[in-house]
Amino acid sequence: AQKVTQAQTEISVVEKEDVTLDCVYETRDTTYYLFWYKQPPSGELVFLIRRNSFDEQNEISGRYSWNFQKSTSSFNFTITASQVVDSAVYFCALSGGSYIPTFGRGTSLIVHP
Amino acid sequence: KAGVTQTPRYLIKTRGQQVTLSCSPISGHRSVSWYQQTPGQGLQFLFEYFSETQRNKGNFPGRFSGRQFSNSRSEMNVSTLELGDSALYLCASSLSAGVRNEQFFGPGTRLTVL
Repeated sequence: AQKVTQAQTEISVVEKEDVTLDCVYETRDTTYYLFWYKQPPSGELVFLIRRNSFDEQNEISGRYSWNFQKSTSSFNFTITASQVVDSAVYFCALSGGSYIPTFGRGTSLIVHP
Repeated sequence: KAGVTQTPRYLIKTRGQQVTLSCSPISGHRSVSWYQQTPGQGLQFLFEYFSETQRNKGNFPGRFSGRQFSNSRSEMNVSTLELGDSALYLCASSLSAGVRNEQFFGPGTRLTVL
């Protein structure tokens, strides 16, 4: 069975602060994919990134960066210089050999002006 | 390019009724996946369709079913509704098969069962 844990239920920051959202996963598969999605108040999930288990290279996209560490089974997401528009619920997800994705419970990020 | 559309956006039903939700994927996308989101269970995968065939199915009872048409549009049906079926139902499309691909989500259908 696979599992994704997002221990932070809610994070509150002030604009321009950096914030890291944690994601820890469990799987017995050697080949798997990890994802991050953003769900703004409008409801639709927005794909942010996909990482396969063989690519541990960190990635940066603008103010967003991701740190994938197989040794600790973590795939953390950092927003640099947060903005009010970053306020949303962020989900980490895992898809392994069963091809059925498992989502974490999500982290609600509130960015205050 | 138009995004994923879902109809209706809101729906109220009573226990025991059945409901059909519709999803139109992005033009050219052949894979459609369905998800259920509830406060209690979070986001859960229902099933995926590709080229009119169900590829994968999550851990849901047989009351939940779906189909995909030749134009890639998909419908999801829930029979004998229960209170616990109240949820946001999200549809996602992608170019090729497999939920490991980048998926584009619709705004969802919020179903309330009374």
